[in-house]
Amino acid sequence: GNSVTQMEGPVTLSEEAFLTINCTYTATGYPSLFWYVQYPGEGLQLLLKATKADDKGSNKGFEATYRKETTSFHLEKGSVQVSDSAVYFCALSGSGGYNKLIFGAGTRLAVHP
Amino acid sequence: DAGVIQSPRHEVTEMGQEVTLRCKPISGHDYLFWYRQTMMRGLELLIYFNNNVPIDDSGMPEDRFSAKMPNASFSTLKIQPSEPRDSAVYFCASLDGGGSYEQYFGPGTRLTVT
Repeated sequence: GNSVTQMEGPVTLSEEAFLTINCTYTATGYPSLFWYVQYPGEGLQLLLKATKADDKGSNKGFEATYRKETTSFHLEKGSVQVSDSAVYFCALSGSGGYNKLIFGAGTRLAVHP
Repeated sequence: DAGVIQSPRHEVTEMGQEVTLRCKPISGHDYLFWYRQTMMRGLELLIYFNNNVPIDDSGMPEDRFSAKMPNASFSTLKIQPSEPRDSAVYFCASLDGGGSYEQYFGPGTRLTVT
């Protein structure tokens, strides 16, 4: 079945450091891929998405590229801020985007000044 | 728009009691999802609706759980009887089927069963 594997956290970085959170997936067909972010005490918010191979999603300085050949969707940011501290979830959905989202376990990011 | 609204935000109850969680999706959204988040199991989809009709309830853990969507602006998730292992944060999310694939999440209900 479909599944998502993302790197375990926590990831601890200093402000302005480069961030990579790895995400790989297993899926049949052509899933859509997402990164969601969860700030403390809040629900999840969509950070970025990609709906087909080689698409690059980007938002707020974060980006991720849908790599079908490596079944990956790694999240990157060139210079993190303290305000980026949160839990990041990689997720996929079936063709059409309306089917259930399958989430990775989440990666906690802590950014220190 | 006010976003997805969930109530209550926190619920503490004793084992064996009935618990009802409520959700108001974003107006115009035709999909509604219920998720459960725990440390041990992460985020799990419990059930989702399209146009008020349940489409996939394979994630509902057992018969003690039931969900309804009587109209486009309201859904409930009921647990009867509740057990300590039901303690979790329950999220509701909605989506516009004619839109951008984005699920909008509510703030969640933190349920504690003692």
